[in-house]
Amino acid sequence: KNQVEQSPQSLIILEGKNCTLQCNYTVSPFSNLRWYKQDTGRGPVSLTIMTFSENTKSNGRYTATLDADTKQSSLHITASQLSDSASYICVVSDRGSTLGRLYFGRGTQLTVWP
Amino acid sequence: EADIYQTPRYLVIGTGKKITLECSQTMGHDKMYWYQQDPGMELHLIHYSYGVNSTEKGDLSSESTVSRIRTEHFPLTLESARPSHTSQYLCASSDHRGPSSGNTIYFGEGSWLTVV
Repeated sequence: KNQVEQSPQSLIILEGKNCTLQCNYTVSPFSNLRWYKQDTGRGPVSLTIMTFSENTKSNGRYTATLDADTKQSSLHITASQLSDSASYICVVSDRGSTLGRLYFGRGTQLTVWP
Repeated sequence: EADIYQTPRYLVIGTGKKITLECSQTMGHDKMYWYQQDPGMELHLIHYSYGVNSTEKGDLSSESTVSRIRTEHFPLTLESARPSHTSQYLCASSDHRGPSSGNTIYFGEGSWLTVV
C-alpha cells in the first residue's frame, strides 16, 4: 500500500534553532517528492520538489534531502524564525499511471517560540 | 505567488442548505483539483478536472459535485449540506503535465465550511 509517514507529529523549538523533519514513504514506482508549508487556516505553499536523481535541494533556509534507496526524505530548517511556525507536509508522486498521482503525509506541526 | 482564489474563506450554514464553493485561477492551468482536509489529517482528493467539460471523482467519496465550463473556474457544490461535510476544502491547479512530471501544484487559501 502506498503511504507517506511523517515524524515527529509535532515539534516545538526556540527561535534561532535548527530542526529536521522526517518523511518515509512506500510509494512505488516513485516519481518525485515535494515539501509544502501550510500556515494555519491557509493553503499549502510549495517549498521544494525533488526527482529520483536529486539528493538535495535548498530554498533559502529550507534544505530537503532525498534517499530514494531507503525511501526517506528530510526537511532541515536553519536558524528558525517565528514565521516558520506551520505544518510541513511531505507529498510523494508515483509514475504508475499515465500522469501520476499524489500521496500526502499528515504533516509535522512546527511551533517556533521566541 | 499563486494566482488561485477561493471564496468564501469561511462559511457557516444550516443542515439541508445548498452551497457552492468558488475557485478561480488566472494562470491558464488545464488541471484543477478539489481536496478535503480535516484538522491534523492528510489532504484527500475528492474531484479533479483535466480541462473544460472534463471532471472526475477523486479517491475520497464525496457527495459534492463539480463543473468545469471555463478553464479558469472550477466550482464545487453541495446540494444538501450535512454536519459530516464540515471540513476545509482546498482548490488547486497545475499545468497540463501530470504530478509525475514534477510540476508545481498551486493551492488556494482554502474554504472552511461548518454545517450546523
